[in-house]
This record gives sequence, structure tokens and C-alpha cells, in this order.
Amino acid sequence: DVKVTQSSRYLVKRTGEKVFLECVQDMDHENMFWYRQDPGLGLRLIYFSYDVKMKEKGDIPEGYSVSREKKERFSLILESASTNQTSMYLCASVTPGGLNNEQFFGPGTRLTVL
Amino acid sequence: GENVEQHPSTLSVQEGDSAVIKCTYSDSASNYFPWYKQELGKRPQLIIDIRSNVGEKKDQRIAVTLNKTAKHFSLHITETQPEDSAVYFCAASIYQYGNKLVFGAGTILRVKS
Repeated sequence: DVKVTQSSRYLVKRTGEKVFLECVQDMDHENMFWYRQDPGLGLRLIYFSYDVKMKEKGDIPEGYSVSREKKERFSLILESASTNQTSMYLCASVTPGGLNNEQFFGPGTRLTVL
Repeated sequence: GENVEQHPSTLSVQEGDSAVIKCTYSDSASNYFPWYKQELGKRPQLIIDIRSNVGEKKDQRIAVTLNKTAKHFSLHITETQPEDSAVYFCAASIYQYGNKLVFGAGTILRVKS
């Protein structure tokens, strides 16, 4: 069974704080993704990574950065949290080009910025 | 870039009826179209997908159809059951770009028993 885990289910932070969200997958997947999920907007891609130390901007990268130092771990960083970053954050991973294209999602982190 | 529109945003059906959710995409280069289901409080999971060289795919009570000319694809659920109640997301991707998906806004499906 593929397992994608995220460091926290719920997180409350104050405006201006630096926030780290961590994602770990145990299936040796090359590609990893960070999305945010907001009602009526679906899942929007923040950043993705297709290899260690490689990253590419998604559709809404402003205010975020990422780090991928090891293949199994992909971190999302909010440099200075703002209230409009209150959201559900979902991590996902996949091996591209195989027969199974399913992106496996983590359980999500509900972040509230006060 | 790719843009995916999904309709309706909410759908209520009686148990046993069929449900249809429709999506359109903008980039004619997209060639992979998955559907994800997210039950309340849970993570999204893939339920069916289709590639552009296929017009229709079925898996038990669910089916997906693709019209490449119209850049339109749909999810069909027959004989709906209460456990089908969830949020459904369509997505599109250019397969060779590492499975980077663009998702629709989602459809809340309620099956009334």
C-alpha cells in the first residue's frame, strides 16, 4: 500500500510566522506535488518536483517555496504566513510514465493563519 | 496554460438514478483525463481515467466518455448509491509532463435515499 503522510492534520499559526509543512512518501515515487484545496476552487497546484533538488512552479506559487533534499520528502514553506493562506494543503506523489498514473494523496493539513 | 471547467458544482439525485458530471478543457495537447473522488474528511482517490486514444471507458457502475474534438469529457455513474455521495474532481494533463494535473473546481454529489 502506498503511504503518503503529512506532518500535521491541523495547524494554527500567526500572521508573519514561517510555516513548514512536510510530506513523506514510501513508494520511491519520482514526482511529488503540493496543492491547496479551497471550496469552489478545486485543487490548485502550488509547486511540484520531479527529482531530488528539482522544483517547478505550479499555478499559484506566490508566497510559497519548497524543498526536496531527499526523494521521499517534499516540504512546503510559507515564508511569512498571511490570512489568505488559510486553507487545506494536500501533498501527492506519483511515478510518471508507468501503467499506474494515480497521484496518491496525503491526508491533508488544515492550516489556519490568524 | 490549461484550464478545466467542471459542471455542475452540486448535484442531487435519488438513489438508483444516474448522475452525470461534465468537464471541458482548453489545451488540445492534453491527453490524459482522470477523475478523483473525495469523501468527506478523506483524501482524493482516483476512480477512473481515460487517455485521448480512447473514446469511452467503463468500470462497473462508472464510465467516462471523451470527445477530443469538443474538448469535453464526462463522468457517468449509474444506479447511484448513498456511498457515491462525495466531491468529484475531473483533471487534465499533458501526459509527458510528469503527470502535472490541472483540476476542475469539483462537483458535490448527494445521493438521497
